[in-house]
Amino acid sequence: QITLKESGPTLVKPTQTLTLTCSFSGFSLSTSGVGVGWIRQPPGKALEWLALIYWDDDKRYSPTLKSRLTITKDTSKNQVALTMTNMDPVDTATYYCVHRPGDGSGKYENWFDPWGQGTLVTVSS
Amino acid sequence: DIVMTQSPDSLAVSLGERATINCKSSQSVLYSSNNKNYLAWYQQKPGQPPNLLIYWASTRESGVPDRFSGSGSGTDFTLTISSLQAEDVAVYYCQEYYSNPSITFGQGTRLEIK
Repeated sequence: QITLKESGPTLVKPTQTLTLTCSFSGFSLSTSGVGVGWIRQPPGKALEWLALIYWDDDKRYSPTLKSRLTITKDTSKNQVALTMTNMDPVDTATYYCVHRPGDGSGKYENWFDPWGQGTLVTVSS
Repeated sequence: DIVMTQSPDSLAVSLGERATINCKSSQSVLYSSNNKNYLAWYQQKPGQPPNLLIYWASTRESGVPDRFSGSGSGTDFTLTISSLQAEDVAVYYCQEYYSNPSITFGQGTRLEIK
């Protein structure tokens, strides 16, 4: 059974840097085809994909947020971290960690299953 | 970037009736070399994370009831619930994974019981 759990601060101040950690079990991020990503959802709004890291350490970022995001993995600890700089109140959202099962060894088969429960991050002074 | 537009934004359907949700992409998500549509559907129930229903536009994820089906190709897609159950009340999202590195979701469709 695959599970993912997000952890990190629930409140950050504007201009600060947010670091979230995803701890997962039930799969290895060294397995070919596998990936872990981050997706966020502002309260009452739609989903927004942020970043994705693959088994071979290849990384993908949302073009609109790329300059602010860094995704890393620690395969030995079964963890993936997301860093977002220069936080703003509009970044207030639930941040989800997601498993990318893949469909072979390609990098375009990017659907997500399962999702973590999410962590609500509020940006306020 | 590909823009995904869902319609309607919300709908109410009677129990046992058919529910249909549409998703339109601003450009084709059909990859000609493998004839696959790079589109997924998710269900998000209140207070829960989204759950994958369908990928490749029409492949049902394991464990998803067969009353859920996906269809369409190119730029126009449909999620159909053949006989609405009370537990299907949720917001439904389509997602394209054709463009790389970007991945885009639709704005969501809220489904309620009439």
